[in-house]
Amino acid sequence: DIQMTQSPSTLSASVGDRVTITCRASQTIGSWLAWYQQKPGKAPKLLIYKASDLESGVPSRFSGSGSGTEFTLTISSLQPDDFATYYCQQYNSYYSFGQGTKLEIK
Amino acid sequence: QITLKESGPTLVKPTQTLTLTCTFSGFSLSTNGLGVGWIRQPPGKALEWLGLIYWNDDKRYRPSLKSRLTIIKDTSKNQVVLTMTNMDPVDTATYYCAHHPDTITTFDHWGQGTLVTVSS
Repeated sequence: DIQMTQSPSTLSASVGDRVTITCRASQTIGSWLAWYQQKPGKAPKLLIYKASDLESGVPSRFSGSGSGTEFTLTISSLQPDDFATYYCQQYNSYYSFGQGTKLEIK
Repeated sequence: QITLKESGPTLVKPTQTLTLTCTFSGFSLSTNGLGVGWIRQPPGKALEWLGLIYWNDDKRYRPSLKSRLTIIKDTSKNQVVLTMTNMDPVDTATYYCAHHPDTITTFDHWGQGTLVTVSS
């Protein structure tokens, strides 16, 4: 199994802030990484796939980078709608998710 | 427009078998390259992939749950069915189905999810 570890688990930030979430894989996964946003009681929403490709309709303030074992999701200027939980997911070998990062309002 | 919706029991007893149906629209599972997957999320916890069925009836299952899972498709009804045997309270979770296109090879559209509670 490929383990995915996100940091931090919780992040407090303000509207307008630039934030970065990190995801590490227990073994190399190339660029086979996706990022999802999930709000309470809702299904996850795909934001980024193949580490850095923006899903259609997702605002350009979201960006992803990395390859191999270390990846980041960056939100350039937080908007009120962005406060949610974010998950990374590898799909190099089957599928596995990180434990999530809860982005809270400071 | 791609939509998916899960349906099935909200409560099952320990040792029983769970059967969930994913009914979808906006695509056909006879289309080359497409798949439908199942993912679950225990209350307050992270997401866990369960399995995936492809257009050609190829299937992939989470290794640790493979003995308990079966996924089948009914292309004519636009449905995918997940069966999980020997349910336990730790299987209490929201169960999602999701669209898996070959263009990105991960899950882009998800159903709303259905909460299944395992309790006697």
